[in-house]
Amino acid sequence: GAVVSQHPSWVICKSGTSVKIECRSLDFQATTMFWYRQFPKQSLMLMATSNEGSKATYEQGVEKDKFLINHASLTLSTLTVTSAHPEDSSFYICSASLPQGLAGSDTQYFGPGTRLTVL
Amino acid sequence: GENVEQHPSTLSVQEGDSAVIKCTYSDSASNYFPWYKQELGKGPQLIIDIRSNVGEKKDQRIAVTLNKTAKHFSLHITETQPEDSAVYFCAALSRGTDKLIFGTGTRLQVFP
Repeated sequence: GAVVSQHPSWVICKSGTSVKIECRSLDFQATTMFWYRQFPKQSLMLMATSNEGSKATYEQGVEKDKFLINHASLTLSTLTVTSAHPEDSSFYICSASLPQGLAGSDTQYFGPGTRLTVL
Repeated sequence: GENVEQHPSTLSVQEGDSAVIKCTYSDSASNYFPWYKQELGKGPQLIIDIRSNVGEKKDQRIAVTLNKTAKHFSLHITETQPEDSAVYFCAALSRGTDKLIFGTGTRLQVFP
């Protein structure tokens, strides 16, 4: 259980175009999903927190007009990179929180990631 | 805010040996500490986690210990195998928040 999928797994696009990445929790409902960005040989950098039915909360320094996040259902969140540029090339990873109830803090399960290359 | 430090950054061991990775955190309110394994080109995979109400947790060859007083927690892998080679990240979650703060990662190499 607790499987998170991402689509696509990789994408190559031209500079100036927009790219949409989907994140799905396959076997559980996630009220909260997270989007991370990871550069080679570095740790994960949280970009935004996505809650179902409400606006995403962006981390400092992340442009909300450039990285559009939609969390339309309890199993789907999307990240759209608008007007992509070569510096947006990176590995984008989502995670979904599985509630633990009385056991305590939610457990985050990660998707397989999406490799974005902007030419 | 929370800050998590992780050591070492790289670790090389012979197959069959043990590997230990250590993390320290700054926020005494943190109460949940997961460990993730990330293989090249893949997303992080949760391998074990511990909550602040216990001091140790084991799952086959993997164990995690937590010292709340010293604010550090460690991952122990025994009888290492080549397939254990990956980057391992520790993380901490503060009470009342939903954000994981990650360590900088440890690249583990297990040589046959």
